[in-house]
Amino acid sequence: NAGVMQNPRHLVRRRGQEARLRCSPMKGHSHVYWYRQLPEEGLKFMVYLQKENIIDESGMPKERFSAEFPKEGPSILRIQQVVRGDSAAYFCASSPATAQGGYEQYFGPGTRLTVT
Amino acid sequence: EDQVTQSPEALRLQEGESSSLNCSYTVSGLRGLFWYRQDPGKGPEFLFTLYSAGEEKEKERLKATLTKKESFLHITAPKPEDSATYLCAVQATGGFQKLVFGTGTRLLVSP
Repeated sequence: NAGVMQNPRHLVRRRGQEARLRCSPMKGHSHVYWYRQLPEEGLKFMVYLQKENIIDESGMPKERFSAEFPKEGPSILRIQQVVRGDSAAYFCASSPATAQGGYEQYFGPGTRLTVT
Repeated sequence: EDQVTQSPEALRLQEGESSSLNCSYTVSGLRGLFWYRQDPGKGPEFLFTLYSAGEEKEKERLKATLTKKESFLHITAPKPEDSATYLCAVQATGGFQKLVFGTGTRLLVSP
């Protein structure tokens, strides 16, 4: 009965490098969401994906950030050419395809990205 | 724009001292209001969903209530293990499923 899994839990990158964050949703869930939590700020929505489709990317920065959720494998959040301002905790959440049990989203433990 | 405001920012209680946390919201149309608990260094843990004004949900020492403009999380006779940040979020109707979060209330319960 595994929950949402994220890896790595901690990631250190130098300015200009790429960061790849992975998320495996809960078993039976096909909807994935990415949120970012900056120090002393609330959780901010970034992107909502279903298998092979981006449904809502209204919270994604226009440049350097991309997300995918392939037919097979985990969802990936990719940050190119990282800058110090990208340092944050990135959380993935998942929910089932239908809302029979409610609309709640279940969160993973997060990836803490530090850009040096 | 959908907005969530939580108060107080921080709350310190003695063990057994009951209190309430507030979540005020503005949303175009409310699909659901969610309460989460977040411990340091961890992801948010789901607590409750409320869908309509007048609804109440309970779990152990916690009770969540909802009106048309705000929600309260009542903590009865708290224990030190209830210390955490409590997050409130709303989800709007008619659109996609993103959650809009408040900045949370940091609760510290002293023995």
